[in-house]
Amino acid sequence: QAVVTQEPSLTVSPGGTVTLTCGSSTGAVTSGHYPYWLQQKPGQAPRTLIYDTTNKHSWTPARFSGSLLGGKAALTLSGAQPEDEAEYYCLLSYSGGAVVFGGGTKLTVL
Amino acid sequence: EVQLVESGGGLVQPGGSLRLSCAASGFTFSAYSMTWVRQAPGKGLEWVSYINSGSTTIFYADSVRGRFTVSRDNAENSLYLQMNGLRDQDTAVYYCARGEGSSWFYYWGQGTLVTVSS
Repeated sequence: QAVVTQEPSLTVSPGGTVTLTCGSSTGAVTSGHYPYWLQQKPGQAPRTLIYDTTNKHSWTPARFSGSLLGGKAALTLSGAQPEDEAEYYCLLSYSGGAVVFGGGTKLTVL
Repeated sequence: EVQLVESGGGLVQPGGSLRLSCAASGFTFSAYSMTWVRQAPGKGLEWVSYINSGSTTIFYADSVRGRFTVSRDNAENSLYLQMNGLRDQDTAVYYCARGEGSSWFYYWGQGTLVTVSS
């Protein structure tokens, strides 16, 4: 089974910009992996921010954006807010219907 | 308002069985795919299973294939996960999620806790 890798932790200053990345052990991440980005705050269920690389849900703040960057999926947060402090998970889809989550990135806004 | 409410979690001994339910409301359940995802205490998310709207396409994670069975009753607006041969490592909060379009994980429930322990 493929392994999906994320930075364990990142810190961003309020108002700053940070990019989280999501890599695959099988090689470059492409749009064919349909990358997702989810946000989870302590004690809460996850919520999906980005799907299919760049698509946002109606509740996704405009300051979040998804892309492909250097063979990885990327989530960029521009203008970080204190409420963006959370765990962020990416997930990738593989052939045969398999879906694999990354280990998560703990984002601190400080 | 879309609502997904999981139930059926609890304490079960290793080797035992449990059936989880996900009650859906606020939308036409029969039109959407559904997915189960779990999260062990203090750990990350793990995809468990997927079922499309008509139950014609079903996928399982390697870790549960052969032990778990996903099903749905569109007349009852409910999704199920039958879990047999439970192991300690199946201990987790189990979430159901609804798909929309190409997104498998559009809306999420609040989860139900399954504890496998003797």
